[in-house]
Amino acid sequence: AQSVTQLDSQVPVFEEAPVELRCNYSSSVSVYLFWYVQYPNQGLQLLLKYLSGSTLVESINGFEAEFNKSQTSFHLRKPSVHISDTAEYFCAVSDLRDFNKFYFGSGTKLNVKP
Amino acid sequence: SQTIHQWPATLVQPVGSPLSLECTVEGTSNPNLYWYRQAAGRGLQLLFYSVGIGQISSEVPQNLSASRPQDRQFILSSKKLLLSDSGFYLCAWIEWGGADSPLHFGNGTRLTVT
Repeated sequence: AQSVTQLDSQVPVFEEAPVELRCNYSSSVSVYLFWYVQYPNQGLQLLLKYLSGSTLVESINGFEAEFNKSQTSFHLRKPSVHISDTAEYFCAVSDLRDFNKFYFGSGTKLNVKP
Repeated sequence: SQTIHQWPATLVQPVGSPLSLECTVEGTSNPNLYWYRQAAGRGLQLLFYSVGIGQISSEVPQNLSASRPQDRQFILSSKKLLLSDSGFYLCAWIEWGGADSPLHFGNGTRLTVT
């Protein structure tokens, strides 16, 4: 089974500062990678996904993530955060050997301060 | 367009009482369906998934059970709730056969067992 590690449970940052949320996964076999965002008392929403091709993927609201196969990482970045980015972010992996299962990290709470 | 409905949004139940949470998906056929639990400060734990009517895979042995009586209906049940069953329960779906499809989540049910 896959395991997904999000090293930081909480990340405080000031508005307009850059941020990086880290994600590492366990397997070196082919995987699909996802980042989800969760606002309080809501379900998870897809932020971006990596399936194949370019290792850098972007979302519509300025986030980007880079797939690094050698380091088995998929870190999420944003060059300038807004108050509205305050939420919990989850990294997830879908294993192509058993794509019925999605494995999630424990989440990182991003707290953007004014 | 596809939508997912989950209810109730919040629920307070005494220890030992039964549980029934319902999830329905509209606008798609033969989806894979999932139940996740999110406990405070922890990530998402996959409880059950289903690839078709009457087909249930359990990921974690516990006093919960799941059923799929119809193609787009997924039910999470318990005969006797425990305090440890408290948490945020999320239903999700992906298109059948969609290895590269992301999970789509409902808005969740906040269950408090007292």
